[in-house]
Amino acid sequence: DQQVKQNSPSLSVQEGRISILNCDYTNSMFDYFLWYKKYPAEGPTFLISISSIKDKNEDGRFTVFLNKSAKHLSLHIVPSQPGDSAVYFCAASEGVRVRGATNKLIFGTGTLLAVQP
Amino acid sequence: NAGVTQTPKFRILKIGQSMTLQCTQDMNHNYMYWYRQDPGMGLKLIYYSVGAGITDKGEVPNGYNVSRSTTEDFPLRLELAAPSQTSVYFCASRSPSGGNQPQHFGDGTRLSIL
Repeated sequence: DQQVKQNSPSLSVQEGRISILNCDYTNSMFDYFLWYKKYPAEGPTFLISISSIKDKNEDGRFTVFLNKSAKHLSLHIVPSQPGDSAVYFCAASEGVRVRGATNKLIFGTGTLLAVQP
Repeated sequence: NAGVTQTPKFRILKIGQSMTLQCTQDMNHNYMYWYRQDPGMGLKLIYYSVGAGITDKGEVPNGYNVSRSTTEDFPLRLELAAPSQTSVYFCASRSPSGGNQPQHFGDGTRLSIL
């Protein structure tokens, strides 16, 4: 039973345009969401996160939106650059505001973003 | 600025052999994690540790063991390698200062069991 789903295995976007990556979750107890970027033969690199008490978090070209009622989050990259081409993983955890939270992450299956020059 | 270091990067094992995947971090992080990633899948948690001497099972612990004798090191042991354990293994760590700190990952160990 996949608690975190990324239904688009791949996405192709032109350089300079917006990339929108989507993620759905089923566990209403999740209260912390993250996006990781992964290049081949490297480990995932943290990109941006959002707490369930917010609906938007922005960091430079990257913005994450959270819709709790729909159990949906999305990552917007504007403008997209060829160097953004990578696999993007959505991840979630629960209980982060609990003292001593272990922050165990549940990952989606990833979306391969290709930004065409 | 090493971060999380995993060794070896690649390894081929025969069925039934054993090996230890090494993970060390230099950020003084209390929390450490082991994940595996199978082709086309997301990362799945094998074991985690909240500090030296404390470990617990994750989502897919069968066939693995861990120990945590120091803050820096969190080795993962495969006792009897099976083809189903062919995967890429990632170690991660995070700061204890608040549950909303991101995990930082090593570059992985690619393991093939033949």
